[in-house]
Amino acid sequence: KQEVTQIPAALSVPEGENLVLNCSFTDSAIYNLQWFRQDPGKGLTSLLLIQSSQREQTSGRLNASLDKSSGRSTLYIAASQPGDSATYLCAVLETSYDKVIFGPGTSLSVIP
Amino acid sequence: EAQVTQNPRYLITVTGKKLTVTCSQNMNHEYMSWYRQDPGLGLRQIYYSMNVEVTDKGDVPEGYKVSRKEKRNFPLILESPSPNQTSLYFCASWTGLNTGELFFGEGSRLTVL
Repeated sequence: KQEVTQIPAALSVPEGENLVLNCSFTDSAIYNLQWFRQDPGKGLTSLLLIQSSQREQTSGRLNASLDKSSGRSTLYIAASQPGDSATYLCAVLETSYDKVIFGPGTSLSVIP
Repeated sequence: EAQVTQNPRYLITVTGKKLTVTCSQNMNHEYMSWYRQDPGLGLRQIYYSMNVEVTDKGDVPEGYKVSRKEKRNFPLILESPSPNQTSLYFCASWTGLNTGELFFGEGSRLTVL
């Protein structure tokens, strides 16, 4: 059974720092991996989508990598800003295409 | 604008009073799904649908029903709500095997007294 974990559970950094969020999954038979951002009480906003055949994706200050063989993905945020404060979730779509498994999320706080 | 729309966004109801949370997407996606999000438990799939008239149970289907009569709509029905169904509910649709990208609605916060 696929399990997705995220480390750390919470992170507090001063503004301007570069940071890395980690996502691990137990079964490498995935179709893709997606990173989301969730603000308190709000919906999930898609940040980056990495297909299983890809190694990384970039959008602005965000870069996500995928190492399927080791079951790991990282989300790199450059030059963090207070507006980046949110919970970040990763999710994998299994190759059976019927289930998306979410990690528990990392709560990020960027201090001005 | 591509979007997934849920209604109502907030609802307080009482035990046993049937309710429906509607979900509609304008992206012509075949796949739609319902999740609930609870503190400490994360996002859990309730039901999903791969196409019209095709639905299947997710991880926590007890106490819920769904229907998929048209591609754009996927309502979640609570026939007899109970307090343990108090939660934040999300509807999602995805692009299918083209990219497999998920799009989420804004969420519906349900309180059952």
